Order: sequence, then structure tokens, then C-alpha cells
Amino acid sequence: QSALTQPRSVSGSPGQSVTISCTGTSSDVGGYNYVSWYQQHPGKAPKLMIYDVSKRPSGVPDRFSGSKSGNTASLTISGLQAEDEADYYCCSYAGSYTFVFGGGTKLTVL
Amino acid sequence: EVQLVESGGGLVQPGRSLRLSCAASGFTFDDYAMHWVRQAPGKGLEWVSGISWNSGSIGYADSVKGRFTISRDNAKNSLYLQMNSLRAEDTALYYCAKEGTDSGYEGWGQGTLVTVSS
Repeated sequence: QSALTQPRSVSGSPGQSVTISCTGTSSDVGGYNYVSWYQQHPGKAPKLMIYDVSKRPSGVPDRFSGSKSGNTASLTISGLQAEDEADYYCCSYAGSYTFVFGGGTKLTVL
Repeated sequence: EVQLVESGGGLVQPGRSLRLSCAASGFTFDDYAMHWVRQAPGKGLEWVSGISWNSGSIGYADSVKGRFTISRDNAKNSLYLQMNSLRAEDTALYYCAKEGTDSGYEGWGQGTLVTVSS
């Protein structure tokens, strides 16, 4: 159960697009289509942004999208807005009813 | 509206035990899997344990296996985490999370803080 690998930080200007990667192994990200993404603002509980690799819960803007290729999942945020500045975490099912999170990525909107 | 309220956190000495509770409302509790996720101060999220709707499937992170026990009481709409042999590295904010119909944690509580220190 090693943590999934995410970049520690990414940044972009308002209106631009950014992509956050999440790299695991064939035992987690690559083995299942159960990758989810969470947004966390300081002092707040996480919020589900993407589930099942690319599905958006109701209420999440379509500026947020997810994808997966092999052992790497990605979250893309297009049309960056100031309120998107937050920490983002990926999470994957890892078999035998276990799950694993990524280390988290701090998104800065310049 | 999904509401999850954790309780039971506090300051505890290394080696001692603590039991966390999560009271759920706003949804049909026994239809959903539930999980505990923790976050050490200034650190990232760590999945701790999960339990299926009927307690038929249970999983633990390697870091807590053998020390923590997850359970649920569907009649009381409650989730529990029994934590034994606590260590300093268990210090964290512990969140209760509701798994969605598909995957992903679609509901979160505000967390209960556990501090393990002598």
C-alpha cells in the first residue's frame, strides 16, 4: 500500500488549463477503473470532484475532467478560476477492499 | 442532505485505546459502504479502513492492521473505529466518509481530532 505519486504543486493563470497526474501501479490505478479525485480547501473537509476515473458528481463544474492511461490517472481543470486554488488528492481502489490516496497536489492560481 | 458527525477524539497516551463514532443522517445508512480517512497535521489524506453495507467486506491500511477495528450498527445509523495500541503517528484528524453508489467518497464529516502523546 504505497501512496500514489502526485506532483507536490502545480500552478496556472486564470483561464488557463492545468493537469494533475496521479501515478500508481497495475495493482491499483492500472488495475481498476475506480479512481476518484478530491478538492480540499484549508480547514475544510475534502470534496469529491471525480469518481470512476472520469465521472462528475452533480454540481461539479464541467471544467473538471478526469482520465486514465495505464497506471497514471489525470485531473484536468480548464478555465482556471481563483476558487480552484486548493489541495487535490487522487484515490484508487487497490484490491482486497483497500484503497490508497496520493500525496496531494497544491494548486496555485497565479 | 447527508450529515456525518464524528465524535470520540481527544488526547490519549501512547499504547492506550480510543473509540471513534460517526453518526449518520440524511440517507439510508444501510445501503452504503462507509470509510475512515485520516489527515495528520499539515499532511495529506490517508485511507484508514472501510466496511461494506452489511459488514461483509472490511479492509484496513497496513499502518493500522491488527490495531484498529471498524464496525457499524445499521440499526443506530452509526459507524465506529476502535483504535488500540495507539502510536504518536496515529495523531490526525479522523474523517468519516460515505461511499457513493459507484465509487468515491461523496459525503464527509468535519472530523474528530486524535492526539497521541504522553
